[in-house]
Amino acid sequence: AQSVTQLDSQVPVFEEAPVELRCNYSSSVSVYLFWYVQYPNQGLQLLLKYLSGSTLVKGINGFEAEFNKSQTSFHLRKPSVHISDTAEYFCAVREGNTPLVFGKGTRLSVIA
Amino acid sequence: DGGITQSPKYLFRKEGQNVTLSCEQNLNHDAMYWYRQDPGQGLRLIYYSQIVNDFQKGDIAEGYSVSREKKESFPLTVTSAQKNPTAFYLCASSIGRSGTGSYGYTFGSGTRLTIV
Repeated sequence: AQSVTQLDSQVPVFEEAPVELRCNYSSSVSVYLFWYVQYPNQGLQLLLKYLSGSTLVKGINGFEAEFNKSQTSFHLRKPSVHISDTAEYFCAVREGNTPLVFGKGTRLSVIA
Repeated sequence: DGGITQSPKYLFRKEGQNVTLSCEQNLNHDAMYWYRQDPGQGLRLIYYSQIVNDFQKGDIAEGYSVSREKKESFPLTVTSAQKNPTAFYLCASSIGRSGTGSYGYTFGSGTRLTIV
């Protein structure tokens, strides 16, 4: 069975500093990997996804993620965060057409 | 514009009453999903449907029921058997056909249900 572990429940970071949100997954087969962002009282928006090919994936709002098969990780990074990046971020995994399995989320707080 | 509409955004009900949450999509997606979100718990799958007139239980289906009579609609009923129904409920859809798992989901904006 698939599972996703987001290693940090909360990450505070100063504005314009870099940030990394960590995600590890477990699966016995090839998977698709996703990062979503959620602003307060809203649904989730897709940031980026890894399907195959290049292990570095670029998404919206300056975010990128690196797929590491040997470490079963898919960490999300941004070189310089902005106040508007304050939100909750969810990593998710999917095998084929099965439902997405989500991690418990990481709350990113950007401090001015 | 195509998208998913959840209504209402906020819902209050008395304990012991059944309540139905609406989810409608005009994306022509085959698959639809209901997730429950609680603080610190992430999203947990309640039910999903990959085709009209068919649906499957997710990880926390007890106390919930669904129907899928139309492709566009996937209402969720929270019954009085659900022990702790206060939560944020998210509906999502995806293309759903075999081989399209890479497309991910489109989400609605959610319904916050509070039992008073």
